[in-house]
Amino acid sequence: DTGVSQDPRHKITKRGQNVTFRCDPISEHNRLYWYRQTLGQGPEFLTYFQNEAQLEKSRLLSDRFSAERPKGSFSTLEIQRTEQGDSAMYLCASSSGQATNEKLFFGSGTQLSVL
Amino acid sequence: AQSVTQLDSQVPVFEEAPVELRCNYSSSVSVYLFWYVQYPNQGLQLLLKYLSGSTLVKGINGFEAEFNKSQTSFHLRKPSVHISDTAEYFCAVSEYSSGTYKYIFGTGTRLKVLA
Repeated sequence: DTGVSQDPRHKITKRGQNVTFRCDPISEHNRLYWYRQTLGQGPEFLTYFQNEAQLEKSRLLSDRFSAERPKGSFSTLEIQRTEQGDSAMYLCASSSGQATNEKLFFGSGTQLSVL
Repeated sequence: AQSVTQLDSQVPVFEEAPVELRCNYSSSVSVYLFWYVQYPNQGLQLLLKYLSGSTLVKGINGFEAEFNKSQTSFHLRKPSVHISDTAEYFCAVSEYSSGTYKYIFGTGTRLKVLA
């Protein structure tokens, strides 16, 4: 169990550029979540996968955001035409189990700074 | 809609003193409740969870929380804190709704333990 890993740890980009983040969940976990966390706030739900199916997207996820989990393993989160308001920590979490009572395992996050 | 309120954004406390971090929630359906801890430069880790049964839940590092359904609260306590408990603490609810699982986090409480 190597835990949830996220890449890169930090990303600095200019406004208008596209960025892509990767998340590798714990290998046997079938559920994968993306959250966004800004300073002084708790993690905000963005989207959720069960295996390769994206089951829910938050209204926070504008059309510029897209997430994929093509083979039900790793996931990518892409932000197109980045804006300064996109600056945040992007967290990935995974879980497994048959009920909602399983715990989330979080990665260390990708810190995005849009200049 | 479900929500989580953490009433204190920062709590300073002296080492070996007791501490209580407050959490209130609202939800229209049954929920599961969690406390997560985030140490500096690390991902969130599960501290404890309430699923059902005994309303007093014990977690790691000497923390415990009590579920109070009538007051819709899930306050976190520790009888004697250590410097190493300095971290950000997040209360969260998990609700199964419309075929998916959703975790909603509070805004966090920064616990600062003073020597």
